Amino acid sequence: GENVEQHPSTLSVQEGDSAVIKCTYSDSASNYFPWYKQELGKRPQLIIDIRSNVGEKKDQRIAVTLNKTAKHFSLHITETQPEDSAVYFCAASPRNTGNQFYFGTGTSLTVIP
Amino acid sequence: GAVVSQHPSRVICKSGTSVKIECRSLDFQATTMFWYRQFPKQSLMLMATSNEGSKATYEQGVEKDKFLINHASLTLSTLTVTSAHPEDSSFYICSAPITLNYGYTFGSGTRLTVV
Repeated sequence: GENVEQHPSTLSVQEGDSAVIKCTYSDSASNYFPWYKQELGKRPQLIIDIRSNVGEKKDQRIAVTLNKTAKHFSLHITETQPEDSAVYFCAASPRNTGNQFYFGTGTSLTVIP
Repeated sequence: GAVVSQHPSRVICKSGTSVKIECRSLDFQATTMFWYRQFPKQSLMLMATSNEGSKATYEQGVEKDKFLINHASLTLSTLTVTSAHPEDSSFYICSAPITLNYGYTFGSGTRLTVV
């Protein structure tokens, strides 16, 4: 099955700096890669996603890049704000498994004011 | 937008008892529901996939007799933790696809504590 690895597990940045979180996946059949933000005890919230037919997608301060050849994708948050502090999960969805998600291990992001 | 309502949000039960968690799709039909478990400071681990009108599919290592999943209608999927033990204490969360291929919505999660 799919195996998603995520790094780093924790990340602290100063407010205004950029944050980058990286994920790798194992199944070349995966074709959908969402990123979720989860605050403590709450449901994950989709913040951005990318499909395998594009290499980059941007939404205001958030961008995601995908390298299908290397099987890795990254989340980039620019001009970080304290409210960006949360746990971020990447996920991959293999084409042939009924759209199940396999999540990365999570990154706890702390933005220091 | 599409909403999955999950109840209860928190439950404390005694060892040996059973707990039922419900996920209802409020404004769409959920033919499929994914059930995840999340331990503190860890990722969401897929437990099983329920499909309306058929048996659930369990991930490797998940005991189907302990975690009973029923998808009785297009708007309701339930997870019953049977004979709960302290090690079953976790955050359980459901998720349903809302578009043909990629859109998902998550329930609000259930914090289960077994004492």
